[in-house]
Amino acid sequence: DAGITQSPRYKITETGRQVTLMCHQTWSHSYMFWYRQDLGHGLRLIYYSAAADITDKGEVPDGYVVSRSKTENFPLTLESATRSQTSVYFCASSETQGINEQFFGPGTRLTVL
Amino acid sequence: TQLLEQSPQFLSIQEGENLTVYCNSSSVFSSLQWYRQEPGEGPVLLVTVVTGGEVKKLKRLTFQFGDARKDSSLHITAAQPGDTGLYLCAGDRDDKIIFGKGTRLHILP
Repeated sequence: DAGITQSPRYKITETGRQVTLMCHQTWSHSYMFWYRQDLGHGLRLIYYSAAADITDKGEVPDGYVVSRSKTENFPLTLESATRSQTSVYFCASSETQGINEQFFGPGTRLTVL
Repeated sequence: TQLLEQSPQFLSIQEGENLTVYCNSSSVFSSLQWYRQEPGEGPVLLVTVVTGGEVKKLKRLTFQFGDARKDSSLHITAAQPGDTGLYLCAGDRDDKIIFGKGTRLHILP
């Protein structure tokens, strides 16, 4: 099915472990984004990508790593998970940068114990 | 400092009532967007307003962009339980979209 998917939908891990959240889109959108959503903070941009092999930091990039070897995939890795990274993570894509419609995935709820 | 302030944070009203929620900033935006997010899902775009003073209607929802392009409002007429959700405003800053913290709306049947 066309759209944007995220996996896993739910993940529980322990402090210090590496975790990778997957994001896949079928529209061939150039731009992809990772956000985290926390009570009291709203949606905050972690990283974004303008095209394959082009990534850039957002507002809260520390502790996260991204890659984009293919246009359709944009994985987010927590190299050594911390409790403060417990959150709901959303991937999004759009055709262009700026105030263009962003299409969001269903989110991944990550709990770090 | 939150660039986009949304108010109220929470709103619970009875079905059939009217309501208005607000998105305010001290900065000028070239355009603003409104998204709605339902529990367990990602946000979905409702509207983009691009001209100061612009009014857009989407069925029972009316969106307005302030003349000075620093604020926006969302008015819902005759609210229904299906309107329940988190309403987020978003603006363009340095070619990236930034979001307000949202208004969580609950319509009681």
